[in-house]
Amino acid sequence: ELKVEQNPLFLSMQEGKNYTIYCNYSTTSDRLYWYRQDPGKSLESLFVLLSNGAVKQEGRLMASLDTKARLSTLHITAAVHDLSATYFCAPEYGQNFVFGPGTRLSVLP
Amino acid sequence: GAVVSQHPSRVICKSGTSVKIECRSLDFQATTMFWYRQFPKQSLMLMATSNEGSKATYEQGVEKDKFLINHASLTLSTLTVTSAHPEDSSFYICSAHPGQGPQHFGDGTRLSIL
Repeated sequence: ELKVEQNPLFLSMQEGKNYTIYCNYSTTSDRLYWYRQDPGKSLESLFVLLSNGAVKQEGRLMASLDTKARLSTLHITAAVHDLSATYFCAPEYGQNFVFGPGTRLSVLP
Repeated sequence: GAVVSQHPSRVICKSGTSVKIECRSLDFQATTMFWYRQFPKQSLMLMATSNEGSKATYEQGVEKDKFLINHASLTLSTLTVTSAHPEDSSFYICSAHPGQGPQHFGDGTRLSIL
């Protein structure tokens, strides 16, 4: 059975701190996407990771992919309140995505 | 960037009503479109995959007679929730796939059945 897990599911952190969100998936995939969702909104694309060892950074967020370990990470550096949202990872299989359960991040002032 | 338009953004209607949601790719042709449902504080669950000119492929547990999908052109797919009931209340999101690269998501439709 295809499973995608995220850890943690809920994260409350202080502004200025660093933290990492983990995404594990059970079946090999060569591509993985990270999305952000604000309450009541649709998905906003953050990163597309296309190969093993891929690392991408945008602002305070950095994502990496290890296809052999079936693991992706989303690292938050010096968090700010504007990063509060739910973050989903989604490995790609064919044209389809399988979404993780999401990590709800709250950054406290 | 690629834009997917989803309409309406919000629907409130009485139980027993049928509701149609449209998903349009505005600047590319989408051979495949996807329909997702998201309950509060949960992840997105794929309902069906819609291919232009052919029947949609439904995920296990999704009633095809309840959720009618039509993909009549390369830029338009519609989802009709027939005889909607309160348990159908949810956030419905479509996405369109241009053939290469990532899916592009619509803004979602919040459906509330009274």
